[in-house]
Amino acid sequence: GAVVSQHPSWVICKSGTSVKIECRSLDFQATTMFWYRQFPKQSLMLMATSNEGSKATYEQGVEKDKFLINHASLTLSTLTVTSAHPEDSSFYICSAQQGAGTGELFFGEGSRLTVL
Amino acid sequence: GENVEQHPSTLSVQEGDSAVIKCTYSDSASNYFPWYKQELGKRPQLIIDIRSNVGEKKDQRIAVTLNKTAKHFSLHITETQPEDSAVYFCAAHYGQNFVFGPGTRLSVLP
Repeated sequence: GAVVSQHPSWVICKSGTSVKIECRSLDFQATTMFWYRQFPKQSLMLMATSNEGSKATYEQGVEKDKFLINHASLTLSTLTVTSAHPEDSSFYICSAQQGAGTGELFFGEGSRLTVL
Repeated sequence: GENVEQHPSTLSVQEGDSAVIKCTYSDSASNYFPWYKQELGKRPQLIIDIRSNVGEKKDQRIAVTLNKTAKHFSLHITETQPEDSAVYFCAAHYGQNFVFGPGTRLSVLP
């Protein structure tokens, strides 16, 4: 299957700092990428849908000013957690859709964020 | 919007037995249904999928069935092995998004 790479896989930061997570589709162009947050033993919670060249669509309850998403190219989307606090500690996963419509969805490795 | 339910939330089977996980969806416009396997601390991996123009699909020990009328689809794993132990998520493609079920934690006991 297609490859989606996410970086960093693990990050620890101090409260109040910002953290950027990158999501890259390595062997295909992804018009649409998705960002999820996953709490322990729970399902994937969609945070936002990122479309190349346009503003991200955020799910209800997700603060767009806190979770900045940029999808500047067909192979890269970034999620920046601004002014991170301990409650932002979580497992963040991106996914990229191969092709339009009902193209297959492939996930990055995930990034575990710990805010001290 | 779309709503996906998944049952059971946990499932334990003996090695060699079959496992079945069922999902229901609410919006008849959904037309693509993938299944993902997620091991602890790792990314979800696509294991099988089915599109709405097909009723059943099989790949070795894994099969998926789809009943569009009833709006439900199921994952079947035969001859289970300990390495099948993981969390399984179903999903329905709705509009631009994929809506995921809450997951099923499968434990295959040796």
